[in-house]
Amino acid sequence: DQQVKQNSPSLSVQEGRISILNCDYTNSMFDYFLWYKKYPAEGPTFLISISSIKDKNEDGRFTVFLNKSAKHLSLHIVPSQPGDSAVYFCAATTGGGADGLTFGKGTHLIIQP
Amino acid sequence: NAGVTQTPKFQVLKTGQSMTLQCAQDMNHEYMSWYRQDPGMGLRLIHYSVGAGITDQGEVPNGYNVSRSTTEDFPLRLLSAAPSQTSVYFCASSYGHLYGYTFGSGTRLTVV
Repeated sequence: DQQVKQNSPSLSVQEGRISILNCDYTNSMFDYFLWYKKYPAEGPTFLISISSIKDKNEDGRFTVFLNKSAKHLSLHIVPSQPGDSAVYFCAATTGGGADGLTFGKGTHLIIQP
Repeated sequence: NAGVTQTPKFQVLKTGQSMTLQCAQDMNHEYMSWYRQDPGMGLRLIHYSVGAGITDQGEVPNGYNVSRSTTEDFPLRLLSAAPSQTSVYFCASSYGHLYGYTFGSGTRLTVV
């Protein structure tokens, strides 16, 4: 049973526009949510996180929104740049991060020039 | 500052062989964990540790052993390799959720 779901395997966005990546979860015990970016043959790179007690966190071009009642979060990238083309993973954790991460299957973001 | 170092980067094993995947971090992180990534499956948690001497099982622990004798090192042992363990393995470490987990560059393991 998948606890973190990313239902869009791929997403294509024009350069300069907004990219919105979505994630749903089922485990109400998750207390933190994280987004990672991954290039081929590299390890994932941490982008941004959000606590379950907040509904928004912003860092530069990246904003994460959390809707706890819907068990849904999204990552907004504005404006999208060619270097943003990568696979994006949504992840969740309990115990403040001590228990490791539960990942979604990822969304391949393609930024079109 | 090296971050998280994984060795080897590539390995081919025969079924039944054993090996240890090494993971070392120089950031004094308490939390460490191992993941495997298979095509279309995302990353799945194998084992994790909240500090030296403390380990626990993740989602897919069968066939793997870990130990944490120091803060810096968290090796993953395959006791008897099987073709189903062909995967890319990632080690990660963290202070906690606010800083995310820092990942190594991975070990690509093929079991034939």
